[in-house]
Amino acid sequence: EAGVTQSPRYAVLQEGQAVSFWCDPISGHDTLYWYQQPRDQGPQLLVYFRDEAVIDNSQLPSDRFSAVRPKGTNSTLKIQSAKQGDTATYLCASSRWGARSAETLYFGSGTRLTVL
Amino acid sequence: GDSVTQTEGLVTLTEGLPVMLNCTYQTIYSNPFLFWYVQHLNESPRLLLKSFTDNKRTEHQGFHATLHKSSSSFHLQKSSAQLSDSALYYCALTSHTNAYKVIFGKGTHLHVLP
Repeated sequence: EAGVTQSPRYAVLQEGQAVSFWCDPISGHDTLYWYQQPRDQGPQLLVYFRDEAVIDNSQLPSDRFSAVRPKGTNSTLKIQSAKQGDTATYLCASSRWGARSAETLYFGSGTRLTVL
Repeated sequence: GDSVTQTEGLVTLTEGLPVMLNCTYQTIYSNPFLFWYVQHLNESPRLLLKSFTDNKRTEHQGFHATLHKSSSSFHLQKSSAQLSDSALYYCALTSHTNAYKVIFGKGTHLHVLP
């Protein structure tokens, strides 16, 4: 079974530039999460979807960040005008929406973003 | 909102000694699910163990944890540390009544010395 696939692996930008991150979840996983992980910190939830619907994007800086999952499979996270404070690893994770058991998150390898 | 607290940022100990990493949580939901994820250098987090049953010990790969709802705790333990256990350990919380929003603690860096 293929894991969660993310691209690109690395991105280096100047402040003000735009960047997009792409995620392909595990087949059959209906729930997809985007996390921001600054260096030496825990993953911080940005947004998550069930199928194509956004469940929670309250932590997404809406003026510059956007995320879509139009067909309920792949997802794209975009930063319109990057700032140095956006420097972090962006992790995508997927799971199955469960009603009776604790569902595991499966993480991709992440995109390491550096904003100069 | 929900939160997870890991009080130790860094734990350093000698190989062979016991490990205990603390995790406490806050949630308004009565049926929390708790997880421990491990992240080795230059890798992504992966599940170590999980539980949603009160007072039941969960074990995996030599580690164990027990969810205690009375004290809102889910501490991670191991009887004897190995060099290969050096990694970042994250405690995480979710609940089906909170639409599976998964919140992570800040993490504890475990450094095992020879």
